[in-house]
Amino acid sequence: RKEVEQDPGPFNVPEGATVAFNCTYSNSASQSFFWYRQDCRKEPKLLMSVYSSGNEDGRFTAQLNRASQYISLLIRDSKLSDSATYLCVVNRGDKIIFGKGTRLHILP
Amino acid sequence: NAGVTQTPKFQVLKTGQSMTLQCAQDMNHNSMYWYRQDPGMGLRLIYYSASEGTTDKGEVPNGYNVSRLNKREFSLRLESAAPSQTSVYFCASRGSPGALSNEKLFFGSGTQLSVL
Repeated sequence: RKEVEQDPGPFNVPEGATVAFNCTYSNSASQSFFWYRQDCRKEPKLLMSVYSSGNEDGRFTAQLNRASQYISLLIRDSKLSDSATYLCVVNRGDKIIFGKGTRLHILP
Repeated sequence: NAGVTQTPKFQVLKTGQSMTLQCAQDMNHNSMYWYRQDPGMGLRLIYYSASEGTTDKGEVPNGYNVSRLNKREFSLRLESAAPSQTSVYFCASRGSPGALSNEKLFFGSGTQLSVL
């Protein structure tokens, strides 16, 4: 079983809709969690860190559930420019593991 | 304002040839990483280095060697390239763990490697 699991999608969502992704991790020693965004096989870029209490950055909300070992990302009022692959990332000390990514297509 | 510099951007090898991918960062980061990305596979960790002089295996280390030459540079070597190593390779660096703001990964622009 891979250490970080994501639904690969694709999620095809109309512009303006709300979409949510989940990510599960298997190692309870995982310490910190992030969402990265990747466009067309370019280098990934940090979207947001995931804080224990949950956090919001504009239209994006991230949640962490340590008991169930999953993190989530919610995108509200989706834009065409949100089309990308969203990568769940888990840090265990110096070891940083990526999920396979979830592809999102926003439809006009 | 270079950040992470990765060379070359493209490379074609024949099976059995060797090559070294170079990576350098100018942010005084302790930790450096090599990932490979294949279609539908996300980024898979090959090797990482938590500090100068140390290296550790990641998820897919077989067929690769690494060298943390100094704090700035972390190279990835393919001793005898195989078609299964055709992939996009990304180097990344990160500051010391602690505050979440220090844990952002900075990536190079990637190397497209084809092994024929």
